[in-house]
Amino acid sequence: NAGVTQTPKFQVLKTGQSMTLQCAQDMNHEYMSWYRQDPGMGLRLIHYSVGAGITDQGEVPNGYNVSRSTTEDFPLRLLSAAPSQTSVYFCASSYDRGLIYGYTFGSGTRLTVV
Amino acid sequence: DQQVKQNSPSLSVQEGRISILNCDYTNSMFDYFLWYKKYPAEGPTFLISISSIKDKNEDGRFTVFLNKSAKHLSLHIVPSQPGDSAVYFCAASGSHDMRFGAGTRLTVKP
Repeated sequence: NAGVTQTPKFQVLKTGQSMTLQCAQDMNHEYMSWYRQDPGMGLRLIHYSVGAGITDQGEVPNGYNVSRSTTEDFPLRLLSAAPSQTSVYFCASSYDRGLIYGYTFGSGTRLTVV
Repeated sequence: DQQVKQNSPSLSVQEGRISILNCDYTNSMFDYFLWYKKYPAEGPTFLISISSIKDKNEDGRFTVFLNKSAKHLSLHIVPSQPGDSAVYFCAASGSHDMRFGAGTRLTVKP
């Protein structure tokens, strides 16, 4: 029972580099989201998807791209890393809107941009 | 703008006593409210939810109360146990997304 798998767990990037954070779920969930967690700010929504081929922006989408070509995968791309993107990133999925049973979260990716 | 606020960054209670965690929201369009628990180096895990048409939902030691007129919800944990020590996030669901508060770190002392 893998649930939501995020890779890598840790990453250090130099300013200006690009990278993709991977997220995969094996629960056939339609809803998937990306959040970032910063001290004192809680979890802030970056992008979300309500199904394959459909994505939308959340609260803090600037500097990030997403795509949803399959139900299982929802990668998050950093186009040109900046120190302000240093954060812990969480991917989440849910069967519906996550109202009754909540979201299932991955264990996170800790990203440092130097 | 933070639509979901947890104004207490931390809370410390004695084992066996009640823990009360509070949360306020500003958007009256939210229709579901949830609580998550998070241990270090792990993702948040879902605890309990409540629909906006209810004012109370109970699951074992955990009870969530919703006061829509005050735009306020609270999580009661009774009795508190040392294993409950974690960061607790409240969340509110809009049309297709979920907004989270900043979290409250609960410490339960033996």
